[in-house]
Amino acid sequence: RKEVEQDPGPFNVPEGATVAFNCTYSNSASQSFFWYRQDCRKEPKLLMSVYSSGNEDGRFTAQLNRASQYISLLIRDSKLSDSATYLCVVFPTGGFKTIFGAGTRLFVKA
Amino acid sequence: DAGVTQSPTHLIKTRGQQVTLRCSPKSGHDTVSWYQQALGQGPQFIFQYYEEEERQRGNFPDRFSGHQFPNYSSELNVNALLLGDSALYLCASSLEPRGYEQYFGPGTRLTVT
Repeated sequence: RKEVEQDPGPFNVPEGATVAFNCTYSNSASQSFFWYRQDCRKEPKLLMSVYSSGNEDGRFTAQLNRASQYISLLIRDSKLSDSATYLCVVFPTGGFKTIFGAGTRLFVKA
Repeated sequence: DAGVTQSPTHLIKTRGQQVTLRCSPKSGHDTVSWYQQALGQGPQFIFQYYEEEERQRGNFPDRFSGHQFPNYSSELNVNALLLGDSALYLCASSLEPRGYEQYFGPGTRLTVT
């Protein structure tokens, strides 16, 4: 089993749609969780942190369920500029090896 | 505020050769991590340097080695290149104790022929 698994993509959605990505992780001792965004042939960039209480940043909402070892990202009112690969990232407890999922590709079309 | 820089941008090498990639961290950062990203995959952790020491390593062979200099910049060396080493190599910097907030450089695209 992979340490971090994400929904297989790609997701093709129209502008204005709501889309949700899921991610599961295998190490229950994991400490911190993040979503990164990576545009084609560019470097990953931090999108948002994920907390048990959930957090929201504009059209983006991230949730963490520690009991189920599950992370989600919800994008509302999708824009063309949201087209990218979204990477689920887990930072371990007591270590420094950041673990990335394989990413989920999102295409938003007009 | 200077971000993370990497050099070179692109590199083509022949199987069996050796390569050195360079990274300058974001201004004020003291920790550098290196990742390998194959096409269609997420970045894979190679190792992390802090206080000029390698403090954690991922599942990569000893052909992959690195160094961190007193100014916090870092090098990644790969010996005896294999075709499978072709990938985007990313450097990320962070500042202790917030090591989870990583800023990535644009990467070096290595092609091994």
